[in-house]
Amino acid sequence: GIQVEQSPPDLILQEGANSTLRCNFSDSVNNLQWFHQNPWGQLINLFYIPSGTKQNGRLSATTVATERYSLLYISSSQTTDSGVYFCAVPRTSGSRLTFGEGTQLTVNP
Amino acid sequence: GAGVSQSPSNKVTEKGKDVELRCDPISGHTALYWYRQSLGQGLEFLIYFQGNSAPDKSGLPSDRFSAERTGGSVSTLTIQRTQQEDSAVYLCASSHQGGGQETQYFGPGTRLLVL
Repeated sequence: GIQVEQSPPDLILQEGANSTLRCNFSDSVNNLQWFHQNPWGQLINLFYIPSGTKQNGRLSATTVATERYSLLYISSSQTTDSGVYFCAVPRTSGSRLTFGEGTQLTVNP
Repeated sequence: GAGVSQSPSNKVTEKGKDVELRCDPISGHTALYWYRQSLGQGLEFLIYFQGNSAPDKSGLPSDRFSAERTGGSVSTLTIQRTQQEDSAVYLCASSHQGGGQETQYFGPGTRLLVL
């Protein structure tokens, strides 16, 4: 099956700093989603981004499908950005999502 | 409702008991998914329903796990004879049509603890 790797596994920032999270995947995909799992466990959709670049406020994402990676940028980080960030792609043979292991982000005041 | 809802939000049970977890997808979504997130492990797929098609059960970890989707809407995940390793957060998601090229929206999850 498809493999999804995220880096770094852990990231600690001071409030106001910028960061880049990376997601590599092992096969061609027609969908990629970024999620933020908040401290209460809720998975919040950030981006649906099979290719190209999208921006939403302080967050933006870029997927380069031909090179099999996606990047999530967080600018001017806030303490509320803390949590786990997951990327997920569908299996090549179906629509179930395969998740990476996540990046645990901690933003300190 | 506006989003995917799940109940109960928390469930504590004794080893060997059966449990039922419920998912209400977003209205109009024909695709419904169950995932599990165990402590220290990632999110893993369990089962996928799409319209009236036979469900994809390939992610169910054992025959103690089963799921139904009645009337193309609400789904129930049943775990029989629960074991301690079944303790996890069970997440339900829905999407408009399925097929892998659209956004999946997740519910808040049911936290299951098997004592």
